[in-house]
Amino acid sequence: KAGVTQTPRYLIKTRGQQVTLSCSPISGHRSVSWYQQTPGQGLQFLFEYFSETQRNKGNFPGRFSGRQFSNSRSEMNVSTLELGDSALYLCASSTETGLAGGPGLYEQYFGPGTRLTVT
Amino acid sequence: SQQGEEDPQALSIQEGENATMNCSYKTSINNLQWYRQNSGRGLVHLILIRSNEREKHSGRLRVTLDTSKKSSSLLITASRAADTASYFCATALSNDYKLSFGAGTTVTVRA
Repeated sequence: KAGVTQTPRYLIKTRGQQVTLSCSPISGHRSVSWYQQTPGQGLQFLFEYFSETQRNKGNFPGRFSGRQFSNSRSEMNVSTLELGDSALYLCASSTETGLAGGPGLYEQYFGPGTRLTVT
Repeated sequence: SQQGEEDPQALSIQEGENATMNCSYKTSINNLQWYRQNSGRGLVHLILIRSNEREKHSGRLRVTLDTSKKSSSLLITASRAADTASYFCATALSNDYKLSFGAGTTVTVRA
């Protein structure tokens, strides 16, 4: 099976702009989670989608949003970019099938990430 | 804030030696996972250990969990250059399904 893919791999944006990142999970995986990784804050959970519904959410401002499509592909959007949004954004998928649950319960398969630089 | 804290922050060992790193956490967990991240392969899942388990093995990896001390350890035996990476513990709280990562331990294996 193909792994988790993320596009684009690298992105440079200007403060105030918005950005959309895309994630395609492993075939058959219905749960998709997003994480932000920075040198200062480490790996932080953004949100998780399951069957097109946001099921779990981390402590990020409303500028960070996401959605999931019927084929389980997911997009993450960041509006009004700030310098502090520069980070590696990682997407992960998992095999869980239950309606109740989240990324903490199962092995996560991560994509290579999108490196976002805000200038 | 991070739920898990790894110790040490960095570790340098000779090829063939064993490497041990620890993870401590603050509140009751459902399970604890270990991940490895290097520049070549990204973030990769190593082992998931549930709160009712005490030890798990996977190849050269051995993970222990002590819920009374709120701590876990990851042992890599007979280390190889390819084991050079950052290792993260991640916890799922018993009343929460989110995954919370620690700051990681950077392991360097010298040839």
